[in-house]
Order: sequence, then C-alpha cells, then structure tokens
Amino acid sequence: DVVLTQSPDSLAVSLGERASFNCKSSRILLSTSNNKNYLAWYQRKPGQPPKLLIYWASTRQSGVPDRFSGSGSGTDFTLTISSLQAEDVAVYYCQQYYSTPQTFGQGTKVEIK
Amino acid sequence: QVQLQESGPGLVKPSATLSLTCTVSGGSLSNYYWSCLRQSAGKALEWIGRIHKSGTTNYNPSLESRVTMSVDASKNQFSLQLRSVTAADTAVYYCVREISGPLGWFDPWGQGTLVTVSS
Repeated sequence: DVVLTQSPDSLAVSLGERASFNCKSSRILLSTSNNKNYLAWYQRKPGQPPKLLIYWASTRQSGVPDRFSGSGSGTDFTLTISSLQAEDVAVYYCQQYYSTPQTFGQGTKVEIK
Repeated sequence: QVQLQESGPGLVKPSATLSLTCTVSGGSLSNYYWSCLRQSAGKALEWIGRIHKSGTTNYNPSLESRVTMSVDASKNQFSLQLRSVTAADTAVYYCVREISGPLGWFDPWGQGTLVTVSS
C-alpha cells in the first residue's frame, strides 16, 4: 500500500497568517500518461465528516475558498491556507488515488495561536 | 445536492456480522462508484470497498475475506457486511460517493456512524 506521511502532526497559526503543511508519499503519484498527480486534500471540522477541498493535487473543489491551495508533484505535496480564518480550525488529510487501495495520511491538526 | 446517510447497529458482538446501509438522497446511484470507509480511534482513514450500480465491487485486500457489498438501485441504497468482527473493527463508518472512480476521490461523505464491537 502507498503510505502517506503528513507533517507536522499539528500546528498553531495566528489569525490572518499563512498555514502550510505537507504530505509525503512512499510512491510517485504523478501519472506520465496524463501528467496529473493523484492526490486529494480534505478538511474535517469537529463533529463533522471530512469535506473535499482539493483534487488532482491543486484543483480546488467548487465552493472552496481561494485561500486554500494545493501544490507539489511526484511524492511531495503541500496544502496552504493563505490567511487563516477561525473557521479553518480542523484536521486536514491527504489521500492518494493512484493505486489501490486508496490510502490517507494520518492528518494535520490546525489550531489558532 | 447528493446526500448520504448511514444506518447501522451501533453495537455488534464479537464474531458477529456488522451490517451498514447507506441511503443516497438528492440524486440516483447513476454511474458513480460508492464506497465505504472507516476510521478507528487514533488511526488513519481506511477505505473498505466500493460498489457500482451494476454490482461491480472492489475491496481492500486487507479486509476482502470478510467484506461483501451489495446495491439496491430501486431504494437508492448500498450496503456493507463485515463478518467475524473483533474489537479492532470498532470505528466510525462512512458512506461516500467516489468521483472519477473506480480509484478516485470522495465527495460527499455521510455523517458517519459509530459502530462498537463489544460483548
């Protein structure tokens, strides 16, 4: 199985500041046939199920604020929140869909400093 | 807007079969794949398996020997059965739609239902 390792496990950022966290894959997630990275990002707020934010590593899901952006390629990926808002407090997960079974990272918890 | 709702037993005895039903509202099963995932305390989210309206299934190899999924298009439902459960199967179980499947991302998610395996 593909192992996704997220870092850090948690981080605290001041309101309005930038938050970035990483997802490293044990295998390359870039397909040479379509030049796409098979990685998605989710946000899970307390008491709620995960919500899709990003797919194809950098394509924002409809309705997701543009302060969320995904980047990276191959084995190293980053989710960035450009200006942290109070409603962004959550756990963020990456997921690969390059090979079966799909797997998830263990999550990064984002809090307000 | 498609929504999913899980219905499950809450409590299952060890060695018994866990049965979960997922009801889709706001849309049909259409040509999507539909998956079940779970998350145990302190562990990563785990994909269990997927099913298509046609009945085609794929399962996580780690669970394949104990899992069966089925679909009832007339009720807009799909179901999961997990046999011979142990305490390790205690988790929040989610029903999700799989986009760009098979082997895609998941949206939307049901609220999730906690299933505890205990005597």
